[in-house]
Amino acid sequence: NAGVTQTPKFRILKIGQSMTLQCTQDMNHNYMYWYRQDPGMGLKLIYYSVGAGITDKGEVPNGYNVSRSTTEDFPLRLELAAPSQTSVYFCASSSGVEKLFFGSGTQLSVL
Amino acid sequence: QKEVEQNSGPLSVPEGAIASLNCTYSDRGSQSFFWYRQYSGKSPELIMFIYSNGDKEDGRFTAQLNKASQYVSLLIRDSQPSDSATYLCAVNMNTGFQKLVFGTGTRLLVSP
Repeated sequence: NAGVTQTPKFRILKIGQSMTLQCTQDMNHNYMYWYRQDPGMGLKLIYYSVGAGITDKGEVPNGYNVSRSTTEDFPLRLELAAPSQTSVYFCASSSGVEKLFFGSGTQLSVL
Repeated sequence: QKEVEQNSGPLSVPEGAIASLNCTYSDRGSQSFFWYRQYSGKSPELIMFIYSNGDKEDGRFTAQLNKASQYVSLLIRDSQPSDSATYLCAVNMNTGFQKLVFGTGTRLLVSP
């Protein structure tokens, strides 16, 4: 049982480049989330989805976009990368009001 | 701005002692409360959740909730070096699904 799978694990971008962080879950969860975690800080919600075709902004959505065409996949798109987007990104999913299942994270550096 | 506050630590305790981790939150409408443990370089994992005022025990862990005072705490009994990690408090202000606001975490160090 793979759970939540994120790719890539590490990436270095140049300022102004774009990339997509991939997230797939095999638990048939309706709810999926993208968080970012800066060093020594808690997690900040970027975007979330309550089901295929439905997404909404979290606390820190600027500079990011998402889509949810299937229940399994929830990619996060970074357009025009900036140094402020250097962070660790976590994808998560849940079936409802209890446990969040996290992926292993993507460490992104923008130089 | 809905906030969740934690002391960043580190909180240092000797092996076998009780570690007490605290968290306060600003939104009185908060519905459920979670403690996640995060080892360095790893993703968070759920330790406990609590919905109602009072205590909830699970093995060596006890979560305590006081909605009137807007605080939630986590007690770890018989602390082990393997408990050394960052503990994130998270608060859900939504009744339908998880839309968590996380604190910055408290780093716990358990010395042998």
